[in-house]
Amino acid sequence: QKEVEQDPGPLSVPEGAIVSLNCTYSNSAFQYFMWYRQYSRKGPELLMYTYSSGNKEDGRFTAQVDKSSKYISLFIRDSQPSDSATYLCAMSRSSASKIIFGSGTRLSIRP
Amino acid sequence: KAGVTQTPRYLIKTRGQQVTLSCSPISGHRSVSWYQQTPGQGLQFLFEYFSETQRNKGNFPGRFSGRQFSNSRSEMNVSTLELGDSALYLCASSLDRTTYNEQFFGPGTRLTVL
Repeated sequence: QKEVEQDPGPLSVPEGAIVSLNCTYSNSAFQYFMWYRQYSRKGPELLMYTYSSGNKEDGRFTAQVDKSSKYISLFIRDSQPSDSATYLCAMSRSSASKIIFGSGTRLSIRP
Repeated sequence: KAGVTQTPRYLIKTRGQQVTLSCSPISGHRSVSWYQQTPGQGLQFLFEYFSETQRNKGNFPGRFSGRQFSNSRSEMNVSTLELGDSALYLCASSLDRTTYNEQFFGPGTRLTVL
């Protein structure tokens, strides 16, 4: 069993919809949780970064961490075609531990 | 401010050869990490360097090695290439180890092993 599980998709939604992307994990020691966005033929770019449980909002993006369920989510409101990309969740035990990535969810926003 | 740069962007090698990839971090960043990305395994951590020392290592064979120079630039080397080494190799930098979780990635080097 992988430490971090992520549905690979693809996920296709109409423009303007709310998108929900999720990851589950098995290691309760994870404390740092990140979401990256990767466009085709590019390196991943950091979208959101949270520590421990709770919510964090940045514009149209909201990250949620539920450590009791070992479940993290990324919500995208008012989705745009430019949001079409692969979204990777990532997590680590400490700020100096290696980062474990999910396999990524491919998202497509239909105009 | 310039981002993370990686050279070369594309590389074709044959089995048994060796290859060296280069990464220049964002100016002022001192931590450099390397990752391998494949469709089957996703993004996997190779190693992290800080102050010219390897600080973390992933689960890869000894054929994969790296180093960091005093100016924080880093290289990774893969010896005795195998077909399964075909992948996108990504480098990421962060300010230091306390901001390790806030990494900035380069565009990657696409390695094809024939």
